Amino acid sequence: TQLLEQSPQFLSIQEGENLTVYCNSSSVFSSLQWYRQEPGEGPVLLVTVVTGGEVKKLKRLTFQFGDARKDSSLHITAAQTGDTGLYLCAGGPRGGGNKLTFGTGTQLKVEL
Amino acid sequence: KAGVTQTPRYLIKTRGQQVTLSCSPISGHRSVSWYQQTPGQGLQFLFEYFSETQRNKGNFPGRFSGRQFSNSRSEMNVSTLELGDSALYLCASSFAGGFTEAFFGQGTRLTVV
Repeated sequence: TQLLEQSPQFLSIQEGENLTVYCNSSSVFSSLQWYRQEPGEGPVLLVTVVTGGEVKKLKRLTFQFGDARKDSSLHITAAQTGDTGLYLCAGGPRGGGNKLTFGTGTQLKVEL
Repeated sequence: KAGVTQTPRYLIKTRGQQVTLSCSPISGHRSVSWYQQTPGQGLQFLFEYFSETQRNKGNFPGRFSGRQFSNSRSEMNVSTLELGDSALYLCASSFAGGFTEAFFGQGTRLTVV
């Protein structure tokens, strides 16, 4: 069974601070996706990384896929209150298909 | 381009009843996956349909079933509802290309009483 562990589980910070969320597994994934979810809504796709060592930047968000494609990180620079939400990583299976394995989630709260 | 549409948004059912949820994927997407989200278990994969065929299945009892129509719309059915089936049910649409980029609907909140 493939498992994805995220850390930290909860994070409460002040606006303007930086933070990093980690997503780790002992399994290799063909791709790694990051989502943000707000209460009562579906997850919204932020980014997809597919190559080991790949780094993608989306404004203040930086995503990295580990060289061995087993782990990933999300770094947010100068967090804003609008960044508040549940962050989820999800791994795509080797060999393709759309059976995603989701991480345990990181609940981020950014306060003024 | 319209997103993934799930209906209904909210549903309250009694134990023992059955329920059908609907999902319309993004136009042109041929893969539809279903997930169950609960506070204790997080997001868990139920099943995936591609071209009207179930391509992958998660570890859920046979009470959970689904189907996909020729226009790619999908339905999932849960029979003999249990209290533990209360959850947010999410549908994800994918083009079914080389890697799995999934776009989610807003979900159906099912409450079993």
